[in-house]
Amino acid sequence: GESVGLHLPTLSVQEGDNSIINCAYSNSASDYFIWYKQESGKGPQFIIDIRSNMDKRQGQRVTVLLNKTVKHLSLQIAATQPGDSAVYFCAEKCNQFYFGTGTSLTVIP
Amino acid sequence: EAGVTQFPSHSVIEKGQTVTLRCDPISGHDNLYWYRRVMGKEIKFLLHFVKESKQDESGMPNNRFLAERTGGTYSTLKVQPAELEDSGVYFCASSQGIRESTDTQYFGPGTRLTVL
Repeated sequence: GESVGLHLPTLSVQEGDNSIINCAYSNSASDYFIWYKQESGKGPQFIIDIRSNMDKRQGQRVTVLLNKTVKHLSLQIAATQPGDSAVYFCAEKCNQFYFGTGTSLTVIP
Repeated sequence: EAGVTQFPSHSVIEKGQTVTLRCDPISGHDNLYWYRRVMGKEIKFLLHFVKESKQDESGMPNNRFLAERTGGTYSTLKVQPAELEDSGVYFCASSQGIRESTDTQYFGPGTRLTVL
């Protein structure tokens, strides 16, 4: 079966520093990847996506990197702010979407 | 524009009872998905509707779960009879359906189900 895992379940960073959240996926046939942010009491919110024909995509303060060789996905958040504190999920698409267990990011003021 | 809404936000029931969860997708979205997150684990796919048809129900745990989307608008997910392991947060998501392979899914706030 599919498995999407995260290297670290929790991450604490100082406000203003950059954050990197990692994700490993298992299916080399997955062709689409998404990062979601989930705040307390809310559902996952789309942050950024990337297709398998790309290795980097940038958004506003966020960058997603895809390394298909080692089946690794990362989310970089620049100048992390207290409002970035949340649980972050990666998801891969291979017929259906498979999610990871989530990484809890805490931003220390 | 209203987002995806789910009702109820919380439900506490006893083992053996029946519960029905409701999801109202974003208006005009053809695709509707149900997911479940058990405490501390990953969000798992349950099923996918395209309009009123079940496109993929491979994630449904067993026949105690029944999902419907009559008329292709809102959807219900019924659990009957509920078991302890059904506890978790049930998320609904919808997407427009223009390009299904990379269609952005918008999630509702979820229904937290606790089976005692």
